[in-house]
Amino acid sequence: GAVVSQHPSRVICKSGTSVKIECRSLDFQATTMFWYRQFPKQSLMLMATSNEGSKATYEQGVEKDKFLINHASLTLSTLTVTSAHPEDSSFYICSAGETSGAWETQYFGPGTRLLVL
Amino acid sequence: QKEVEQNSGPLSVPEGAIASLNCTYSDRGSQSFFWYRQYSGKSPELIMFIYSNGDKEDGRFTAQLNKASQYVSLLIRDSQPSDSATYLCAVNANQGGKLIFGQGTELSVKP
Repeated sequence: GAVVSQHPSRVICKSGTSVKIECRSLDFQATTMFWYRQFPKQSLMLMATSNEGSKATYEQGVEKDKFLINHASLTLSTLTVTSAHPEDSSFYICSAGETSGAWETQYFGPGTRLLVL
Repeated sequence: QKEVEQNSGPLSVPEGAIASLNCTYSDRGSQSFFWYRQYSGKSPELIMFIYSNGDKEDGRFTAQLNKASQYVSLLIRDSQPSDSATYLCAVNANQGGKLIFGQGTELSVKP
C-alpha cells in the first residue's frame, strides 16, 4: 500500500508558540490531502481538505487563521497551528488520496501528537 | 440520521471465531467504501476497499457491499487477539472528496 509520513511524531510546546506539521506521500503523488484531529476516545474529525496549488477548504467551525494549511507540491502538505493553546493539544492525522483509474483511496499518516503546555 | 452508522460495540468474540462488523450509509449516490482499523493511540490503517456490489476477499478479511440496502460489512475469519481494535467504516460519495466516517466499532477478541 501507499505510504504517508508525518513529522514530527510528537511535539511539546509552550502556549502561544506556533507548530508546523508536515505530511508527505512517499511513493505516490497526492492532489488532495486531508487533515484530521482526534481527541482521546473520540472519533476522527476532519479539519480541512488540502488541494495542491490552491487554498484549503475548511470544515465548519475550524478557524482557518489558526490552522494554516499549505499544499505546495503533490507530495507535501503542511499544517501550522498558530498561537497554540492547551485546548489545541490533540492527535493530528493527515491522509493523502492515491488515485488509481477512476478511484481514489485515502492513506493515513502515523499522526502527530501535540501537547501544549 | 447520521450519514454513516456503525454499532459502537464493544463487540466481543472468542479467538478463532468470525467477527462481523456492519455499517449502513444514507447517501444512495455513494461510490466507494472503505474499512480502516485503528489501534488505540495509532492512526487508521486501510484494511479493505470495495466499489462494486458483492463480496471482496483479502486473506482473512471479506468486505460485502449491498448498494440496494445501503450497507457494507466486514467479516474477519479466524479472529486473533491482534485484531482487537476499532474498525472504522468510511464512505466516499464523490471521487476526490472527503470521506464520511462512522463512529467506529470496537472489536475485542478474547484468547
